[in-house]
Amino acid sequence: DVKVTQSSRYLVKRTGEKVFLECVQDMDHENMFWYRQDPGLGLRLIYFSYDVKMKEKGDIPEGYSVSREKKERFSLILESASTNQTSMYLCASSFGGRGYTFGSGTRLTVV
Amino acid sequence: AQTVTQSQPEMSVQEAETVTLSCTYDTSESDYYLFWYKQPPSRQMILVIRQEAYKQQNATENRFSVNFQKAAKSFSLKISDSQLGDAAMYFCAYRTSAGGGGYGKLTFGQGTILTVHP
Repeated sequence: DVKVTQSSRYLVKRTGEKVFLECVQDMDHENMFWYRQDPGLGLRLIYFSYDVKMKEKGDIPEGYSVSREKKERFSLILESASTNQTSMYLCASSFGGRGYTFGSGTRLTVV
Repeated sequence: AQTVTQSQPEMSVQEAETVTLSCTYDTSESDYYLFWYKQPPSRQMILVIRQEAYKQQNATENRFSVNFQKAAKSFSLKISDSQLGDAAMYFCAYRTSAGGGGYGKLTFGQGTILTVHP
């Protein structure tokens, strides 16, 4: 089975910190995605990548950046964490958009 | 831009009964894909069912079936013989078929929390 692994299940960070959320997939998928999940809002796309070193903004990229130096790893970076970035973050990967595999999420709290 | 709307924040059903979750979407495209995902407390998103817009036949997966009304832009999920393990958050999602399939980003609805009573 394809696996998408997110490095942390829970994370607590202070306002202003630089935060890295890591995501690794093990099946050579070309596409990787970062979503943010909030109650009443569903999942919203932050950034996605369709190849190494390639990235595209999603619907809510403000305050975030991403890095994809290797095909299997897609990192989400909060340059200066703020309390309104407290949320659940989900990573996903897909091949050609046909099948999606999600990670188990990182619940980030910014205090 | 496409939008997906789930108007039922919460639904409940008795074990062994049938429940229908609603989803509507807005798009100007004629070819696309629709999905229902289940997210249990473990947070792991699980694909429940998928529908291709060009197929008129409604998709079915065991106890799960959809009512796809393309003209009305409606995509409801019916769960028959509900089980305790069906309790979860359910998300409706849309994906365009355009863009060469190289991106495949999903647009999600707000989610519906399903409670199953024994």
